Amino acid sequence: DAKTTQPNSMESNEEEPVHLPCNHSTISGTDYIHWYRQLPSQGPEYVIHGLTSNVNNRMASLAIAEDRKSSTLILHRATLRDAAVYYCILSVANTGNQFYFGTGTSLTVIP
Amino acid sequence: EAGVVQSPRYKIIEKKQPVAFWCNPISGHNTLYWYLQNLGQGPELLIRYENEEAVDDSQLPKDRFSAERLKGVDSTLKIQPAELGDSAVYLCASSIGQGEYGELFFGEGSRLTVL
Repeated sequence: DAKTTQPNSMESNEEEPVHLPCNHSTISGTDYIHWYRQLPSQGPEYVIHGLTSNVNNRMASLAIAEDRKSSTLILHRATLRDAAVYYCILSVANTGNQFYFGTGTSLTVIP
Repeated sequence: EAGVVQSPRYKIIEKKQPVAFWCNPISGHNTLYWYLQNLGQGPELLIRYENEEAVDDSQLPKDRFSAERLKGVDSTLKIQPAELGDSAVYLCASSIGQGEYGELFFGEGSRLTVL
């Protein structure tokens, strides 16, 4: 399996930025980095993805290390609705781009 | 636009009984996935379809699990007979292409409890 390593849990204060780290030291050159999040009793939802360059969208930013062995999901202003499990995933080209979810990081947002 | 629709949302059965889950993907999405999610764990892929062809079913326990995607649209996942360890959430997802360049869209899942 294409492995990623994330902290089990993190806390953030509401309206403050959150940096969620992910290590993926075995990443290969064609693997994309994806982030999904899962709210309680919901299916996962897409947050952002990237290959080499940093990416921004309306939900978050993705900062990818120059050697691509790690990445950070940045929520610019955490809200209570951002409390969820965040998964960092590699789509591995030589396996038909199968997505391997780990156990993710459970983010708690403190009011 | 409607999202991925799954039914039933909840199902409680006794062990050794059969159960089936249905998934209607987003219109136009040719790739469909079934995932299994145990409590406190991330989703694990069971099977992936490209149109009506199962292109990856290596993680599907074929002795008791089966799936089909007739006409490349709706899909059904069946368990027969169910065992206690099958209690989990079964998630369906769909995407355009293989998802490597974009996003998977997930349904809300079907929660199975086997007594």
